[in-house]
Amino acid sequence: GIQVEQSPPDLILQEGANSTLRCNFSDSVNNLQWFHQNPWGQLINLFYIPSGTKQNGRLSATTVATERYSLLYISSSQTTDSGVYFCAPGYSNYQLIWGAGTKLIIKP
Amino acid sequence: EPEVTQTPSHQVTQMGQEVILRCVPISNHLYFYWYRQILGQKVEFLVSFYNNEISEKSEIFDDQFSVERPDGSNFTLKIRSTKLEDSAMYFCASSDSGSGSFNSYNEQFFGPGTRLTVL
Repeated sequence: GIQVEQSPPDLILQEGANSTLRCNFSDSVNNLQWFHQNPWGQLINLFYIPSGTKQNGRLSATTVATERYSLLYISSSQTTDSGVYFCAPGYSNYQLIWGAGTKLIIKP
Repeated sequence: EPEVTQTPSHQVTQMGQEVILRCVPISNHLYFYWYRQILGQKVEFLVSFYNNEISEKSEIFDDQFSVERPDGSNFTLKIRSTKLEDSAMYFCASSDSGSGSFNSYNEQFFGPGTRLTVL
């Protein structure tokens, strides 16, 4: 089945810093979503991004489906950005396949 | 803004007992999903459901699991005889449609989860 790799696995930054999270996937996918899991365990939808680039405030994402990767950019980090960021490509029209996540800690 | 809701938020049960986890998907959505996340691990797909039948299921979704849409709003996951290794966060999700076309797909929206603890 499809393999999903996220990097880096852990990232510690000072408040105000910028970061880039990467997601590589091994096969053609129907689509891709990015999520933020907050410290309470909730999964927050960030982007639904099968291809191209989207922006939402300080966050933006780019997916290059032909090269099988997606990037999530976080600018001017805040402590509330802390948590785990998951990439989940869509597979077989229904199932999302999840990466292991990038754990982000933003220090004040 | 419409959202997926789940009850209970936390369920504690004894090994061997049956549990039912409940979800109310977004009202106009047609596809429903269950995923689980064992503490500290990645999220895993369990099952998808459309038109009152299972569309796809993973190897995890064995005979002890079942899903049902008992009425027009609820979607449930039943675990018949819980095991210690069933302890996890269970997430329900829904999407507007999952077209058969390879190139079309709809965003999945997730509920807050039910944390299941099996003792």
